[in-house]
Amino acid sequence: GAGVSQSPSNKVTEKGKDVELRCDPISGHTALYWYRQSLGQGLEFLIYFQGNSAPDKSGLPSDRFSAERTGGSVSTLTIQRTQQEDSAVYLCASSSERGMMGQYFGPGTRLTVT
Amino acid sequence: AQSVTQPDIHITVSEGASLELRCNYSYGATPYLFWYVQSPGQGLQLLLKYFSGDTLVQGIKGFEAEFKRSQSSFNLRKPSVHWSDAAEYFCAVARFGGGSTLGRLYFGRGTQLTVWP
Repeated sequence: GAGVSQSPSNKVTEKGKDVELRCDPISGHTALYWYRQSLGQGLEFLIYFQGNSAPDKSGLPSDRFSAERTGGSVSTLTIQRTQQEDSAVYLCASSSERGMMGQYFGPGTRLTVT
Repeated sequence: AQSVTQPDIHITVSEGASLELRCNYSYGATPYLFWYVQSPGQGLQLLLKYFSGDTLVQGIKGFEAEFKRSQSSFNLRKPSVHWSDAAEYFCAVARFGGGSTLGRLYFGRGTQLTVWP
C-alpha cells in the first residue's frame, strides 16, 4: 500500500506478557518514528530511526521497551513484561530523509493490558 | 526545551461558521510547525506545515494557518466549517535531529472540535 501500515490493529494481552508491534513505513522513507497516545499523557515520542544512524531512544519510558528496524524498513516495537500503564495506542510514522514533507502516520495499534 | 500549548481543550462551532484553533509554541530557534487532524479510531493526518517563507500557509480540506513569530503562535483557521471537520486537532513543532533531518515531533495536547448541524 501507499501509506504506513501497522499490525495488529488491536492487541489485548495479560499483564506480564511480552508483545510485539509492527510498523511498515512508506516505501523509500528512511526515517521512522514511534509515538504513544494515551488519555492521560497525550502524544509521547518513544524512539526515532534515521537511516544507518544510531536511533534516538530518549523517549522510551523504561528498559522494558525496545525497538529495532531491520533492513532500513520494517520496525518492531517490543514491550516486555507488560503493565497496565502500557495500555495506549502506539503510532508509527515515517518521513523522507530530511523530513521536509512532514511525518506520515499509520493507523496505530491499540494495546490493552488486562 | 520545546513545548506546544493548545489552550482550548474543546471547541464547539455551528456548521458554516468560521473556526480558529490556537497554538502557541516555545522553541529557541526557527520552528518547524505542523497541524494534524485525528478522526476517531484513526491515525494522524497532516493538514499543513510551515518551514519558512510566506507566513500564511494553505493546507488540505480548506484549512490555513498563520505563523506569527512575535506571538509564538501558529493558529489554524477555516472560513466555513463542515460537519465532517469534527475531529481532534493537534499542533506540533519539530527540530532538526542529527544529519540535518527533522527529528521528533513535540505535540500539543489537542483540541477536540464538535460541529453542530
